[in-house]
Amino acid sequence: QPVLTQSSSASASLGSSVKLTCTLTNGHNNFIIAWHQQQPGKAPRFLMKLEASGKFERGSGVPDRFSGSTSGADRFLTISDLLTADDGDYYCETWDSNTRGGVFGGGTRLTVL
Amino acid sequence: EVQLVQSGAELKKPGESLKISCKASGISVTKSWIGWVRQMPGKGLEWIGVVSAGASAGASNTRYNPSFQGQVTMSADKSMNAAYLEWNSLRAFDTATYYCARLATTGHIDYWGQGTLVTVSS
Repeated sequence: QPVLTQSSSASASLGSSVKLTCTLTNGHNNFIIAWHQQQPGKAPRFLMKLEASGKFERGSGVPDRFSGSTSGADRFLTISDLLTADDGDYYCETWDSNTRGGVFGGGTRLTVL
Repeated sequence: EVQLVQSGAELKKPGESLKISCKASGISVTKSWIGWVRQMPGKGLEWIGVVSAGASAGASNTRYNPSFQGQVTMSADKSMNAAYLEWNSLRAFDTATYYCARLATTGHIDYWGQGTLVTVSS
């Protein structure tokens, strides 16, 4: 089963950009992942699906400040023009069709300064 | 529009049983996999498993995370268009927020419920 590794924390200034990383274990470089945002005290929200090719598809209502990209086993979430509302936890997630099991990364806590 | 509406917060004592629900609209639980996810206080997200309603009344198809097998029971009801998560005997360790979520055809989550807070305390 794949393992997803994320940095535990990140910070960036209001109005700037930040790039969060999710790394897939070797042998799972072709897996599709999803990025989810969890604002403090709220349910997670689906942001986007991100393919190994780098093609991404945002969820309904997700602004184009959120974008995705890929490099090998790394999957990136870039947030531009940071707002205080972007504060929160960001999780990557994937699905193993062989085991029919889902996997989450440990999450990155983003602080907008 | 896809919506997953979960039942309200619960306060239970150790040893009690509980069944929480996730009512779907805009999708059919016979055609979609519904996932259950646990979030313990201050912690990250953990997969419990996935469930889909079978074609026959009362039938469900399930896949459990091995860590949760035997600890909880998932089911789905096509007549109610809902999924359920059940405990026979709660422990304080089960205190958490539980989310249901719809899985897209590629397997990732694309819709979330609002969460159900379960508190187990004597």
